Amino acid sequence: DAGVIQSPRHEVTEMGQEVTLRCKPISGHDYLFWYRQTMMRGLELLIYFNNNVPIDDSGMPEDRFSAKMPNASFSTLKIQPSEPRDSAVYFCASSQNYNEQFFGPGTRLTVL
Amino acid sequence: AQSVTQPDIHITVSEGASLELRCNYSYGATPYLFWYVQSPGQGLQLLLKYFSGDTLVQGIKGFEAEFKRSQSSFNLRKPSVHWSDAAEYFCAVGAYTGTASKLTFGTGTRLQVTL
Repeated sequence: DAGVIQSPRHEVTEMGQEVTLRCKPISGHDYLFWYRQTMMRGLELLIYFNNNVPIDDSGMPEDRFSAKMPNASFSTLKIQPSEPRDSAVYFCASSQNYNEQFFGPGTRLTVL
Repeated sequence: AQSVTQPDIHITVSEGASLELRCNYSYGATPYLFWYVQSPGQGLQLLLKYFSGDTLVQGIKGFEAEFKRSQSSFNLRKPSVHWSDAAEYFCAVGAYTGTASKLTFGTGTRLQVTL
C-alpha cells in the first residue's frame, strides 16, 4: 500500500482565497483524521470521520473551515476564505478502530 | 480531558550515548499511550504503543518505553543513539471514545545528535 496520500504537498495562496487540501487514506481504514501543526499550538485534531461520517468536529477552528468525505478513499479540507493565521502544516491520518494512526506527509500551507 | 506534557523542548546527545525522553500524561482512566517520531518534512511514524499488559514496551528502531501508572509517565528510551535518530519526538495519549482513539499530542522534543 502507498500509505496515506496528501496533495498538494505545498500550497501558497493569498489571503481571501479558497484552499482545498486532499487526502486519500489507506485502503480498508475506516477512520480518517485531519490535524493541524503549528509552532504555537503544536498538533491539533481538527475533525475525524468514521465510515465517511464526521464524528467529531469540535477542533475545527471556525466556520471558514469545512471537511468532507464523499467516499471511503477521499477526503477534503477546505478553508474559505483563507487568512495568514491559517498557515500551518495540515496532516491527514487514517486508522482501523482505535489502533495506530498512519499519517500522511502533510501539506504545508502558506497564506500571504 | 486528557493532556500530555513533554518537559524537554530540545535535547542534544552524542552518538552512542543513551537517551531518555520524558512524557507525563493526565487522563482519568487507563490510557492508550503512543510515541511518534517526525523527521523534517515528513509525517509522523509510530515508534511504539501501550494499551495494556506488560508495562515495558518495545518499538521499532531499538526504542522502548515504560508505563508507570504511579508517576503518570511514559518515558521513551534508547540505549545507544544513532545520528539518524535526530528528529522530533511526540508523546500522545489516546482516549477511547467507543469508536476511535482521539489522540492528544504533547508539544514534542527535538533531538539533536552530535557526532
